[in-house]
Amino acid sequence: GENVEQHPSTLSVQEGDSAVIKCTYSDSASNYFPWYKQELGKGPQLIIDIRSNVGEKKDQRIAVTLNKTAKHFSLHITETQPEDSAVYFCAAIPRAGGTSYGKLTFGQGTILTVHP
Amino acid sequence: GAGVSQSPSNKVTEKGKDVELRCDPISGHTALYWYRQSLGQGLEFLIYFQGNSAPDKSGLPSDRFSAERTGGSVSTLTIQRTQQEDSAVYLCASSLYIGGQLSYEQYFGPGTRLTVT
Repeated sequence: GENVEQHPSTLSVQEGDSAVIKCTYSDSASNYFPWYKQELGKGPQLIIDIRSNVGEKKDQRIAVTLNKTAKHFSLHITETQPEDSAVYFCAAIPRAGGTSYGKLTFGQGTILTVHP
Repeated sequence: GAGVSQSPSNKVTEKGKDVELRCDPISGHTALYWYRQSLGQGLEFLIYFQGNSAPDKSGLPSDRFSAERTGGSVSTLTIQRTQQEDSAVYLCASSLYIGGQLSYEQYFGPGTRLTVT
């Protein structure tokens, strides 16, 4: 099955700095990689995702990069703001087929703290 | 529009009792997932429903756990004879089928925090 490793487990930055969170995956057949933001007492919120046919995707201050050869993908947040403080999870879904279809495997999470 | 809703938001139960957790997916979403989030285990997949197909139960941790989805919409996760290790946040997510293909984007509800005393 798929295994997703996420680093770092905690990340502390000053407001305005950039933050980078990295994940590696084990299943070379994985083809969809979402990132979720989870605030205290709430469910995970999808913030950006990338499919295996592209190397980078941007949405305002957030970007995700994917290196299929190395089997790793990263979340980049620029110009961080205090409201970016939350737990961030990466995840992966294997290629369609069989019982794994649609089933997300999550990384362990990164607690991001942005200091004003 | 309305997102995924779950009830109750919090549930405290005694060890050995049965509990039922409810999930209302986003209207029109035919795929529904249950995940469990606990301190030691992170977020783990439990079960997946898609339309009238047989559910993927491969993530259920024991036969004390079961889930139903009635009428292709609301789902209930039942835990029988609860144990302290069942304490966790139970999250439901749903996604859309578009043109015969499952959309990978899963939208989560706020979760039910279960505490077994």
